[in-house]
Amino acid sequence: EAQVTQNPRYLITVTGKKLTVTCSQNMNHEYMSWYRQDPGLGLRQIYYSMNVEVTDKGDVPEGYKVSRKEKRNFPLILESPSPNQTSLYFCASSFLAGTGELFFGEGSRLTVL
Amino acid sequence: GNSVTQMEGPVTLSEEAFLTINCTYTATGYPSLFWYVQYPGEGLQLLLKATKADDKGSNKGFEATYRKETTSFHLEKGSVQVSDSAVYFCALPLQGGQGGKLIFGQGTELSVKP
Repeated sequence: EAQVTQNPRYLITVTGKKLTVTCSQNMNHEYMSWYRQDPGLGLRQIYYSMNVEVTDKGDVPEGYKVSRKEKRNFPLILESPSPNQTSLYFCASSFLAGTGELFFGEGSRLTVL
Repeated sequence: GNSVTQMEGPVTLSEEAFLTINCTYTATGYPSLFWYVQYPGEGLQLLLKATKADDKGSNKGFEATYRKETTSFHLEKGSVQVSDSAVYFCALPLQGGQGGKLIFGQGTELSVKP
């Protein structure tokens, strides 16, 4: 089954404790992206990747890192999480950048205390 | 730059009622337009799309027509079901940067009562 898999789905952590949210897709997609969804602010792009080893900042990259060492994986790293990073995070992928046809993961709800 | 505005929710309807969710856009040229749906506890999924003016996208009983004269892409369904309760997002690609990322509207929450 074609899918984007994120882990963990739910996480409660404390300020400053490094964490990684993994994202993996099995569709051989070139393009991958991370969004965060917050009430009243909608969906905002954090980082995106056009292909392996090619990543770039989205609208709200501060406090986040990403890497794209393999085509299928695109982890989101929070080196020192803060409470303002409490959010619902989505990973998405598409065959090529700019098609608009994104496949989303089920989301990772992160709470930073 | 490209932008999208959709009607605010929440929208509450009775089963079998007619649904319209308004979406208007601002864009350079004629980009593809999309509707995504987010069911409770899930990620977004593509509902339908239209790639050029006067195109009608349709899926699962939902329809939307790409109207360049009114710069609109309103979502409609003739008879909603309880299972249609979800948040609906209108979207279009950003031109010329950020990998052609999608710009999403704020989302319209639909609640359908039996």
